[in-house]
Amino acid sequence: AQKVTQAQTEISVVEKEDVTLDCVYETRDTTYYLFWYKQPPSGELVFLIRRNSFDEQNEISGRYSWNFQKSTSSFNFTITASQVVDSAVYFCALSDYSGGSNYKLTFGKGTLLTVNP
Amino acid sequence: DGGITQSPKYLFRKEGQNVTLSCEQNLNHDAMYWYRQDPGQGLRLIYYSQIVNDFQKGDIAEGYSVSREKKESFPLTVTSAQKNPTAFYLCASSIGLANYGYTFGSGTRLTVV
Repeated sequence: AQKVTQAQTEISVVEKEDVTLDCVYETRDTTYYLFWYKQPPSGELVFLIRRNSFDEQNEISGRYSWNFQKSTSSFNFTITASQVVDSAVYFCALSDYSGGSNYKLTFGKGTLLTVNP
Repeated sequence: DGGITQSPKYLFRKEGQNVTLSCEQNLNHDAMYWYRQDPGQGLRLIYYSQIVNDFQKGDIAEGYSVSREKKESFPLTVTSAQKNPTAFYLCASSIGLANYGYTFGSGTRLTVV
């Protein structure tokens, strides 16, 4: 069965520090998709990135970067020069074809990031 | 602007009462989902619907019911059979396959007293 593990429950950093959020996944499928979502205090989950299993290139978007390594089943998320507005809960999620269909995302338990001024 | 609307944002009910949470989307998405979020538990799938007039149980469907009479609407009823209904409820939608990810509503925080 598919599973997503975010071992870091809470992380606290000081503004301008770099921070990496870990995500380890389990799946038996060769075709799958990985996601990161941000949940600010307002509650709505905001999509950050989607990556398919055939594309291992790292991606950078402004201060955000993602490192996808199939060899270790990891999809880690790094925020460079963190800011107070980055404070949120971050979820990693997996979509695969378990059971013959691709109908749902499986989420990790989330990492609460607090960036202090 | 397209999106998902959940209402109300906060809801209070007495124990033993059924309560219905609203979820409406104007994204023309086929699939809709209900998740429950508890502190430290992440997001757990309650029900999902891939097409109108069809829905399936998720991982924690006991004590909940849904309907999908219109493409745009996927209301969730929390029944008195749900033992711990106090939680944050999130509705989401997707084009069809979860490959494309979800669009989420802003959630409803239900408190049962």
